[in-house]
Amino acid sequence: QVQLQESGPGLVKPSETLSLTCIVSGGSTSNYYLSWFRQPPGKGLEWIGYVYNTGSTNYNPSLTNRVTISEASSKNQFSLTLNSVTTADTAVYYCARCGPLRLVADHWGQGTLVTVSS
Amino acid sequence: DIQMTQSPSSLSASLGGRVTITCRASQGISTYLAWFQQEPGKAPKSLIYGASNLQSGVPSRFSGSGSGTYFTLTISSLQPEDFATYYCQQYVNYPLTFGGGTKLEIK
Repeated sequence: QVQLQESGPGLVKPSETLSLTCIVSGGSTSNYYLSWFRQPPGKGLEWIGYVYNTGSTNYNPSLTNRVTISEASSKNQFSLTLNSVTTADTAVYYCARCGPLRLVADHWGQGTLVTVSS
Repeated sequence: DIQMTQSPSSLSASLGGRVTITCRASQGISTYLAWFQQEPGKAPKSLIYGASNLQSGVPSRFSGSGSGTYFTLTISSLQPEDFATYYCQQYVNYPLTFGGGTKLEIK
């Protein structure tokens, strides 16, 4: 059974960098869109972006100049980096596996709350 | 960006009852529409893709329909575990976008 697990700091200071890692187990990452989503407390879902196994990426234009998603050489983990964070970036961050035939996340991590605060 | 609008934002229903949630897209998206269920404190769970195709393991009391700009999610014979928040999502264009959610509560 495919499982995803996010890890990373739960508290980040304003203007600093948020970094999260997602480990995928029990299934393939090849030919899948390895994605990140987020959900501010009490609000709806937002797509952040994905990395595909060719190394290609696609990001939400609202975050493009601050975000990087990359896949580790081990191919069973991928990461999210978000620069210059503000309090508006406080959210539960989810990693997910989408595809291979469609950009629908059929497996999700449990989510990790990242709070931006000094 | 394609805007996804769900209605209602909340509704209450009885166990064993039937509800329909509506999702409208700001432009035509064919059937590139997915539905998710989210229980409090948990990750979303994929229910439907392609507007009407159930994900593996999803009970048949869930059904989806629609194409173009108008879509519905219907849940029949409501069970206790169905009371959650539901989101639609389009995946025809980037950025992927979600509706604002519909919270289903027990009456």
